[in-house]
Amino acid sequence: SQQGEEDPQALSIQEGENATMNCSYKTSINNLQWYRQNSGRGLVHLILIRSNEREKHSGRLRVTLDTSKKSSSLLITASRAADTASYFCAPRMDSSYKLIFGSGTRLLVRP
Amino acid sequence: DTGVSQNPRHKITKRGQNVTFRCDPISEHNRLYWYRQTLGQGPEFLTYFQNEAQLEKSRLLSDRFSAERPKGSFSTLEIQRTEQGDSAMYLCASSSTGEGSPLHFGNGTRLTVT
Repeated sequence: SQQGEEDPQALSIQEGENATMNCSYKTSINNLQWYRQNSGRGLVHLILIRSNEREKHSGRLRVTLDTSKKSSSLLITASRAADTASYFCAPRMDSSYKLIFGSGTRLLVRP
Repeated sequence: DTGVSQNPRHKITKRGQNVTFRCDPISEHNRLYWYRQTLGQGPEFLTYFQNEAQLEKSRLLSDRFSAERPKGSFSTLEIQRTEQGDSAMYLCASSSTGEGSPLHFGNGTRLTVT
């Protein structure tokens, strides 16, 4: 299946702490994307990591990819209440046009 | 970049009625996707267009669902003879065809079937 599975399903942390979410997948991929969804809104693309990359940074976000283990992690540093959202990973197969989403990780950042 | 626009934002309908949703993608994007999302779940793929051609329709989608993108610009999703199980958020997304192009999502249409 092309679908990514996020872990944990839910995560509650204090503002200022770091949040780590994991993603596992089963197929070989071309890239893997992370998205955020605030309640009642559409998904927003956060970051893309290609299969030949091991780590990527964007502001307070750090994404790692281990293709041998078919896993990725998203780290949000110095979390803020505004980071409260659901986070989804989407592995993308070579030449695939669509993204298949798992159930996501629901992150709650307590003020 | 005005983003992906979806209308209406909310729709309440009685069981058995037909409903139609509209999606206006980002103008230069030739790929358009429809997803359905229920509470606590991730978005479920429904169908995909490249320009005006509908290239894939999920097997989970019943014959009551139809989508069009007549001129390769906006798209409509129609649900005929709605059922309570159709209650969900319907999300539209668009993207360009470049490798790794991210999906840009609208804020969805929330359908409630009573």
